[in-house]
Amino acid sequence: GENVEQHPSTLSVQEGDSAVIKCTYSDSASNYFPWYKQELGKGPQLIIDIRSNVGEKKDQRIAVTLNKTAKHFSLHITETQPEDSAVYFCAARPQIYNFNKFYFGSGTKLNVKP
Amino acid sequence: EAGVAQSPRYKIIEKRQSVAFWCNPISGHATLYWYQQILGQGPKLLIQFQNNGVVDDSQLPKDRFSAERLKGVDSTLKIQPAKLEDSAVYLCASSRLQGRSTGELFFGEGSRLTVL
Repeated sequence: GENVEQHPSTLSVQEGDSAVIKCTYSDSASNYFPWYKQELGKGPQLIIDIRSNVGEKKDQRIAVTLNKTAKHFSLHITETQPEDSAVYFCAARPQIYNFNKFYFGSGTKLNVKP
Repeated sequence: EAGVAQSPRYKIIEKRQSVAFWCNPISGHATLYWYQQILGQGPKLLIQFQNNGVVDDSQLPKDRFSAERLKGVDSTLKIQPAKLEDSAVYLCASSRLQGRSTGELFFGEGSRLTVL
């Protein structure tokens, strides 16, 4: 099955700086790569996603890049704010007709210091 | 649109006792998932339903865990007997069928289980 690795496990940045979280995947059949943000005591929530036919996607301060050849994708957060502090998970979904099966990374705890 | 509802939010039991968690997915979502999230780790899929049929339960410890989704809507996850290593947050999620949708997962807030 798919294996998703995520780095770093913890990341501490100063408010206003950028943060980058990286993930690699093993299954070349994976075609959809979402990023989830999990705040304390809550379930993960989708913040951005990218499909395998796109190399980059941006949404305000958040961007995701995908390198299919190298099988890695990254989350970039610019101008970080204290409310960005949370645990971030990457995930990969192999192409299985009509079934949605996600494999998650181990998570990155982002701490934005004011 | 109401989100995924889960209960109870917290449960503390002794090992070898039983526990049940309930999930009500977003209306119209055909696919329902139960994930186990151990502290400091990413969610791990336990079981996936499509309507009321099981799509994947390969990671479910079937000697102690069971799950059902009656009438293709609500679902319950049961653990009997519980072990110390079952201490985790149990997340329920739902999604529309694939096809034209992204298949985005919508998660509930989770049920935190502590086994003493």
